[in-house]
Amino acid sequence: QKEVEQNSGPLSVPEGAIASLNCTYSDRGSQSFFWYRQYSGKSPELIMFIYSNGDKEDGRFTAQLNKASQYVSLLIRDSQPSDSATYLCAAPRRDSWGKLQFGAGTQVVVTP
Amino acid sequence: KAGVTQTPRYLIKTRGQQVTLSCSPISGHRSVSWYQQTPGQGLQFLFEYFSETQRNKGNFPGRFSGRQFSNSRSEMNVSTLELGDSALYLCASSLSPREQYFGPGTRLTVT
Repeated sequence: QKEVEQNSGPLSVPEGAIASLNCTYSDRGSQSFFWYRQYSGKSPELIMFIYSNGDKEDGRFTAQLNKASQYVSLLIRDSQPSDSATYLCAAPRRDSWGKLQFGAGTQVVVTP
Repeated sequence: KAGVTQTPRYLIKTRGQQVTLSCSPISGHRSVSWYQQTPGQGLQFLFEYFSETQRNKGNFPGRFSGRQFSNSRSEMNVSTLELGDSALYLCASSLSPREQYFGPGTRLTVT
């Protein structure tokens, strides 16, 4: 079992709708998570860092962390074609916060 | 503030050769991590340096090595290149556990 798992997609979302992405993790001790966006041929871009149970909002993005159920999700409201990208979930290792364990990423396609 | 920079951006090498990639972190960031990204394996951690010390290493063969200088700039070296080393090599810098910012990457092609 991979430490961080994501559905690879593609997740097709109509423009203006909410995209919902999920990430599950196996290490119950994981305390925090990152969400990155990666456009094709580009490097990952940091969207959000979350470490507390509950929701964290930043613009059109909302991250949700549920440590009891071991999942973290990302909602993209009012999806735009420019949101079409691969979204990566990552967890820092407890022994070294500079070492991230990445999921495989979910490809999101926003259709006009 | 300038972002993370990596040089070169593209590189083509032949099997058996060696290569050195460079990463300059965001000013003030002392942690630099390196990752390899391939279509089949995704993003995999190579190593992390903090204040010139290797703090962690991923599951890669000894052909992969790195170092960090006193100005926090980091280099990674791959010796005796294999076709499977073709990948996007990314470095990320951070000041705290709440962030890791990636550079643009170096696209390495081994022929």
